Amino acid sequence: EAGVVQSPRYKIIEKKQPVAFWCNPISGHNTLYWYLQNLGQGPELLIRYENEEAVDDSQLPKDRFSAERLKGVDSTLKIQPAELGDSAVYLCASSPPGQGSADTQYFGPGTRLTVL
Amino acid sequence: AQSVAQPEDQVNVAEGNPLTVKCTYSVSGNPYLFWYVQYPNRGLQFLLKYITGDNLVKGSYGFEAEFNKSQTSFHLKKPSALVSDSALYFCAVRPPGNTGKLIFGQGTTLQVKP
Repeated sequence: EAGVVQSPRYKIIEKKQPVAFWCNPISGHNTLYWYLQNLGQGPELLIRYENEEAVDDSQLPKDRFSAERLKGVDSTLKIQPAELGDSAVYLCASSPPGQGSADTQYFGPGTRLTVL
Repeated sequence: AQSVAQPEDQVNVAEGNPLTVKCTYSVSGNPYLFWYVQYPNRGLQFLLKYITGDNLVKGSYGFEAEFNKSQTSFHLKKPSALVSDSALYFCAVRPPGNTGKLIFGQGTTLQVKP
């Protein structure tokens, strides 16, 4: 079974440029998460989707960050414009239906963003 | 505030010795607890979780963790460490009533020396 797929794996951009990250969850997983991981820290949730609905986006900086999961499968996270402080690893995770709060989240390899 | 603490930035053990990676949490109620491992340039891999029942949980690669409610701890253990266990380990908690958000600790680097 294929795991969570993310692309690109690495991205280097100049500040004020836009950037987008793509995630394809494990087949059949209806819940999708985007996390931000700064160097030396644990991941922090940005947004959670149940199918195509964003059910928790309270930690998403909405002035510059946006996300979509139009058909309830793959998802895109966008930053526009990027700032120096956005340099981090962006992780996508998914979990299967039916387990509620006990569900295990499966993580992709992440996209390492460097903003110059 | 809800939080997870991993008091050690790094743990060093010799191969073949037992290892412990510590985790404590501050969450009201009965949370769900998780351990993940992260290898360089790879995503987090699930190791084990505590939901309910037996306080000793067994997971992947010979790891286990002991839930202690009175001490609000969930320490990760392994009887005999391998060099290949060297990685970054994260403890995480999901507060009760919250169906999605995982709160992670800051991570502990485990270094196993031959």
